[in-house]
Amino acid sequence: ILNVEQSPQSLHVQEGDSTNFTCSFPSSNFYALHWYRWETAKSPEALFVMTLNGDEKKKGRISATLNTKEGYSYLYIKGSQPEDSATYLCAHPLGQGGKLIFGQGTELSVKP
Amino acid sequence: NAGVTQTPKFRILKIGQSMTLQCAQDMNHNYMYWYRQDPGMGLKLIYYSVGAGITDKGEVPNGYNVSRSTTEDFPLRLELAAPSQTSVYFCASSYPEADTEAFFGQGTRLTVV
Repeated sequence: ILNVEQSPQSLHVQEGDSTNFTCSFPSSNFYALHWYRWETAKSPEALFVMTLNGDEKKKGRISATLNTKEGYSYLYIKGSQPEDSATYLCAHPLGQGGKLIFGQGTELSVKP
Repeated sequence: NAGVTQTPKFRILKIGQSMTLQCAQDMNHNYMYWYRQDPGMGLKLIYYSVGAGITDKGEVPNGYNVSRSTTEDFPLRLELAAPSQTSVYFCASSYPEADTEAFFGQGTRLTVV
């Protein structure tokens, strides 16, 4: 199993701060990179699925970029709010129809 | 609008007992997955299935078994529960293409004492 690594493991910011975190994945045989948002006591929900090198996706204050050649993706949150507090997971499918392997997640806590 | 349904939501097992975690999806997804979540470890893949009758091991399969007799159902069996299996378990499903998102059930919190 090839690893997906996320950093940092946890992050504590103040309301209004902008923040970003990293997902590293194997750059060979790349098919897609998924980002999920996971709130406490809920199920993970997809934020973005990215496939193209240089791709950038945005949903409200959250955006993500993808570099498939060097094997990393950044997730940005602009002007963090307490409701952004969650664990953010990235995942990498092994193969076009392969199993979805997750990183260990970045736990974000936004203080009012 | 059921999506992925897991039962039970909570369970306490004694060491050595057996149980089956149920998972059903109504989206006609080919792929189904079982993950466990341990603190600071994200989601670890236990088993997955690409269609009825086909299953394969994930990252942490030991102590678990699965079957996939229909497209809709993917139960996870714990034969001899151990404290190390205390965790939160998530079932998920997706279409087979790598660029399609996975949908998750509500999770099962299992404690083995």
